[in-house]
Amino acid sequence: GQNIDQPTEMTATEGAIVQINCTYQTSGFNGLFWYQQHAGEAPTFLSYNVLDGLEEKGRFSSFLSRSKGYSYLLLKELQMKDSASYLCAVRDRSSNYQLIWGAGTKLIIKP
Amino acid sequence: NAGVTQTPKFRILKIGQSMTLQCTQDMNHNYMYWYRQDPGMGLKLIYYSVGAGITDKGEVPNGYNVSRSTTEDFPLRLELAAPSQTSVYFCASSYSFGGNQPQHFGDGTRLSIL
Repeated sequence: GQNIDQPTEMTATEGAIVQINCTYQTSGFNGLFWYQQHAGEAPTFLSYNVLDGLEEKGRFSSFLSRSKGYSYLLLKELQMKDSASYLCAVRDRSSNYQLIWGAGTKLIIKP
Repeated sequence: NAGVTQTPKFRILKIGQSMTLQCTQDMNHNYMYWYRQDPGMGLKLIYYSVGAGITDKGEVPNGYNVSRSTTEDFPLRLELAAPSQTSVYFCASSYSFGGNQPQHFGDGTRLSIL
């Protein structure tokens, strides 16, 4: 079956680094997306991985290991505005290339 | 630069009532989606469309209907509203299914069925 797991909640300190993990089980992996969602708002796209390795975008990086069914989102130099939920989504060939979404990780940033 | 626009933003319905959630996008995207988001759960796909006149069921289509008469508009219809349909509904669009093209989301409709 299809399954995506993320930690429910994480806490980090302003200025620090945090890593949010995502593990997945799908039968037809075709890419992985990370989205950010502030409370009461729409999800917004952060990053995309389809090949193994690290993709870097400013303070945010995302890593993928297809053999392990594992990804992480790395946030550096944390700012208070980074307090949000981070959603991991996997595109699955066996679901007509639709996205399967994790429940999201709520990140709380403390001063 | 409007992107994806959803109306209404909030709505309260009584059990058994019906309503239409509106969604329009101005990015000329062929692909559009309706999701629902419940607390503690991932987004669930209700219906999607690959172009005008073509729609298909997602993971949780029961109790909903859609139509796609134009590229821009993708309304979601709730018939005989039930308390289980209390949720936040998001409409999204994308340039394609594949590659690195992300889905762009509207601001959501918060729907309560009482």
